[in-house]
Amino acid sequence: NAGVTQTPKFQVLKTGQSMTLQCAQDMNHNSMYWYRQDPGMGLRLIYYSASEGTTDKGEVPNGYNVSRLNKREFSLRLESAAPSQTSVYFCASSPGQAISYEQYFGPGTRLTVT
Amino acid sequence: GESVGLHLPTLSVQEGDNSIINCAYSNSASDYFIWYKQESGKGPQFIIDIRSNMDKRQGQRVTVLLNKTVKHLSLQIAATQPGDSAVYFCAEIEVWGQNFVFGPGTRLSVLP
Repeated sequence: NAGVTQTPKFQVLKTGQSMTLQCAQDMNHNSMYWYRQDPGMGLRLIYYSASEGTTDKGEVPNGYNVSRLNKREFSLRLESAAPSQTSVYFCASSPGQAISYEQYFGPGTRLTVT
Repeated sequence: GESVGLHLPTLSVQEGDNSIINCAYSNSASDYFIWYKQESGKGPQFIIDIRSNMDKRQGQRVTVLLNKTVKHLSLQIAATQPGDSAVYFCAEIEVWGQNFVFGPGTRLSVLP
């Protein structure tokens, strides 16, 4: 089991460019999450998906879109990147069909927007 | 790997001593409280949780205490080891409102 995998590990974008962060889990989990982590702050929830075909906004959804492609994959898209979106992005998954504390995290993607 | 926050409060303890990491939470409706450990370059890892109707829960070398009167949570690590060096986050979760909020984190540094 690879657990939760994320690609890419690092990315540099220019303001206005778009990109998609990929996340996949092989644990047959129902729920998946996207967080951002900024220096000196805890993780903040961007979007989550309680089951295939459903997505809900978290604490900081503005500027992002998500797609729950299937049960395994949950992607995060930045349509027009801004410097304020420079952060480390973590994907996570959990077994149940609601927000759960038992979340398993990927290794993260460091995104820099210049 | 991905670095964790650079300006976190830091707790330094001697190897073998006990560590106590504190956390204040804000939502009196939270149902669960959780502690995560994040090592450098990795994602957070679940350590232990406690339900809001409990005031103490013990795991392997860790104990979590919950004081709802003052909205305070603590994580105690017994006989701290070098491998415990990491950033520790508390999180609170309100199941009904689907609210899940992480605290800012504390960096634990274990001295030889």
